[in-house]
Amino acid sequence: DSGVTQTPKHLITATGQRVTLRCSPRSGDLSVYWYQQSLDQGLQFLIQYYNGEERAKGNILERFSAQQFPDLHSELNLSSLELGDSALYFCASSVLTGASYNEQFFGPGTRLTVL
Amino acid sequence: DQQVKQNSPSLSVQEGRISILNCDYTNSMFDYFLWYKKYPAEGPTFLISISSIKDKNEDGRFTVFLNKSAKHLSLHIVPSQPGDSAVYFCAASGSGSARQLTFGSGTQLTVLP
Repeated sequence: DSGVTQTPKHLITATGQRVTLRCSPRSGDLSVYWYQQSLDQGLQFLIQYYNGEERAKGNILERFSAQQFPDLHSELNLSSLELGDSALYFCASSVLTGASYNEQFFGPGTRLTVL
Repeated sequence: DQQVKQNSPSLSVQEGRISILNCDYTNSMFDYFLWYKKYPAEGPTFLISISSIKDKNEDGRFTVFLNKSAKHLSLHIVPSQPGDSAVYFCAASGSGSARQLTFGSGTQLTVLP
């Protein structure tokens, strides 16, 4: 158990809909990362938040957005869903102090299926 | 453009023997490298990491080697155990405060009893 929790575990929805994925980082971790793993691709970085502020963006679509709340949990919002958005979405957290590196610890993921 | 490549999608080894998983990268700005293990229906689990200022890091049965001139790293598992059967991902991190990871496509390791 990494200490990172994600809900829900599975989500099935229809095209055009909007969903929210939730992540709670490990206790003490200030940084939250979101990654997408599609069937034909590896893990792709989407976005990172540090202590409530957006720190970096990767290959995140404009239809997707995220935020980190004062209690440090994070939500990833996916809207106008398309079939191609079906994937595993992982959240990871790390301490991330200054410029030093900290290993990222991953949650169990949310499997999104868009029908 | 794949900046981190794992060219072997799968690898099978006998229990007790050495498993060697390979990874190549193209971005010379990467300065920290990690290996993750992933079981089906679970998130990646951190295994071992290495900074670009080192060429070897060891943790129990796991050793990571880094060859900066060749932009190549490898993970050695000795001895291999059936419980090691999983997908192994190589990941790299660049300088800068964000420290997001760039992942390879993974290698499925099967350890045969």
